[in-house]
Amino acid sequence: RKEVEQDPGPFNVPEGATVAFNCTYSNSASQSFFWYRQDCRKEPKLLMSVYSSGNEDGRFTAQLNRASQYISLLIRDSKLSDSATYLCVKNTGTASKLTFGTGTRLQVTL
Amino acid sequence: NAGVTQTPKFQVLKTGQSMTLQCAQDMNHEYMSWYRQDPGMGLRLIHYSVGAGITDQGEVPNGYNVSRSTTEDFPLRLLSAAPSQTSVYFCASSYDISVNEKLFFGSGTQLSVL
Repeated sequence: RKEVEQDPGPFNVPEGATVAFNCTYSNSASQSFFWYRQDCRKEPKLLMSVYSSGNEDGRFTAQLNRASQYISLLIRDSKLSDSATYLCVKNTGTASKLTFGTGTRLQVTL
Repeated sequence: NAGVTQTPKFQVLKTGQSMTLQCAQDMNHEYMSWYRQDPGMGLRLIHYSVGAGITDQGEVPNGYNVSRSTTEDFPLRLLSAAPSQTSVYFCASSYDISVNEKLFFGSGTQLSVL
């Protein structure tokens, strides 16, 4: 089993829709989690960290479920500019152990 | 601040050639790393460094060398290029990855080995 697994998509949604992605992980020692966004042919950029209590940043909400070993990203009121690949990342706290998922592609259409 | 600067943006090599991908950051970050990104594989760590003079192997180090003589620079050397090294390479830095500081990425290098 991969350490971090994501549905590759693509998720095709109309503008204004709500969309959610899940990411499952193995290794319960994983300490912290992140969502990175990667636009086509660009570098990844941090979207948000994921906290156990859940956290929200504008239209974006991230949740962590340690019991079931998954994290989620909810995007409300999708914009065309949200079209990108969303990478799930986990960090076990040591220098080398930042593990990236393969990404979920989102395409928002008119 | 320029952030993380990676050069070149594109490179084509013949099998057996060697080259160096350059990476520099001006944020005084201790942690620097190199990743490769292949379709369906996600970003995979090649080598990393937690400070000047200190380097270590990541998940896929074979065929690559690194050095960290200064805090700012972390070049990646391909010793004898192989077609399997065709990929997109990203350099990334962070103040301190062990306390979950975010990674800053360079803009990437598209490498093709023929």
